[in-house]
Amino acid sequence: KTQVEQSPQSLVVRQGENCVLQCNYSVTPDNHLRWFKQDTGKGLVSLTVLVHENDKTSNGRYSATLDKDAKHSTLHITATLLDDTATYICVVGDRGSALGRLHFGAGTQLIVIP
Amino acid sequence: DMKVTQMPRYLIKRMGENVLLECGQDMSHETMYWYRQDPGLGLQLIYISYDVDSNSEGDIPKGYRVSRKKREHFSLILDSAKTNQTSVYFCASIRGAQDTQYFGPGTRLLVL
Repeated sequence: KTQVEQSPQSLVVRQGENCVLQCNYSVTPDNHLRWFKQDTGKGLVSLTVLVHENDKTSNGRYSATLDKDAKHSTLHITATLLDDTATYICVVGDRGSALGRLHFGAGTQLIVIP
Repeated sequence: DMKVTQMPRYLIKRMGENVLLECGQDMSHETMYWYRQDPGLGLQLIYISYDVDSNSEGDIPKGYRVSRKKREHFSLILDSAKTNQTSVYFCASIRGAQDTQYFGPGTRLLVL
């Protein structure tokens, strides 16, 4: 059973609009949660990591929240650009060490149109 | 500039042929990974390597084996490839603990 669910599966927005991507998970323990961006045909690139209960992070136009009680995270992208077109992947780590496993969501495919 | 490289980027093989996928990293990371990515699914872990000759099965190791003879190189081997091993394969490495994994660009394998 998938332990990391992302929604929506795909999303189309106009350049300049804001969007919100959702991640719900059942991984236990949930040591940390990371959002990756994957451009078409490329590898994954980390955007931000959330560690603590009710953590909030900001990285330029990307901001993210984590609610460990609800096992839920959101990724906000403000003032989208055409280059934001990509798949955004939510990953939950069950330990804070290399012995831990990463649990990957299937991703949200974001398309930004002019 | 921290980098994970993968070779080849694209590969077509016939069922039953052997496949060798290569991964390199220039960051002296101890821990490296092989994943496969299929449409509609999250990345699935095939193997982890904690250092030279210290490898551990991931969630879907069947049909695969790995080799790590140098810290900077990690190979994935498919002995007698099967059509259901058609996928995109990603290599990654990590410095430690909660640090991010650095991913290679992927190898797109088609087994006919």
